[in-house]
Amino acid sequence: GESVGLHLPTLSVQEGDNSIINCAYSNSASDYFIWYKQESGKGPQFIIDIRSNMDKRQGQRVTVLLNKTVKHLSLQIAATQPGDSAVYFCAETLPNRDDKIIFGKGTRLHILP
Amino acid sequence: AAGVIQSPRHLIKEKRETATLKCYPIPRHDTVYWYQQGPGQDPQFLISFYEKMQSDKGSIPDRFSAQQFSDYHSELNMSSLELGDSALYFCASSNSQDQETQYFGPGTRLLVL
Repeated sequence: GESVGLHLPTLSVQEGDNSIINCAYSNSASDYFIWYKQESGKGPQFIIDIRSNMDKRQGQRVTVLLNKTVKHLSLQIAATQPGDSAVYFCAETLPNRDDKIIFGKGTRLHILP
Repeated sequence: AAGVIQSPRHLIKEKRETATLKCYPIPRHDTVYWYQQGPGQDPQFLISFYEKMQSDKGSIPDRFSAQQFSDYHSELNMSSLELGDSALYFCASSNSQDQETQYFGPGTRLLVL
């Protein structure tokens, strides 16, 4: 399943399938990007980050892709599990302004049995 | 591993009252950040402190103030509360020596009646 995070706030994916959550960021000067997972009633949890000098970074079951040309960021979750149900936020920071995270609009990921 | 601690977890106040939210960062973290998250919204940056000095300011109302103490804990003081202040308030902390990763606390849910 795939979503444009800013325009489709909900994404439903079959358990075991791969999930792709997309995000468009606004500031071409942003140089650091983060994906957060927020479960109901909890604070945002760091998932993975990427610097603007990279276009791909892999973690455990997650991959972040960065396309600076079109200012697009995506989070891929492999073999989606029920525990992946949450709202996912992309976030950016500006050069020398790492003390301020700018969150994008979240995408709620639903896992279908 | 120790996480960010916030207290109280839930708070109910009436209009025009005051509230104080507390945040205890992860040990050895020297920077704290405050965010406000309205229902169904993304977190919005309010203010941050590094080594007890304000380092950045976001969309924090003049009715709110915050400070960081010598033990690095922080308090967000909110006065003349309004209905619109009802939200989740998150504190995050980071270590300035360890890049930019911010770790979020569980949040304080404030309800203004």
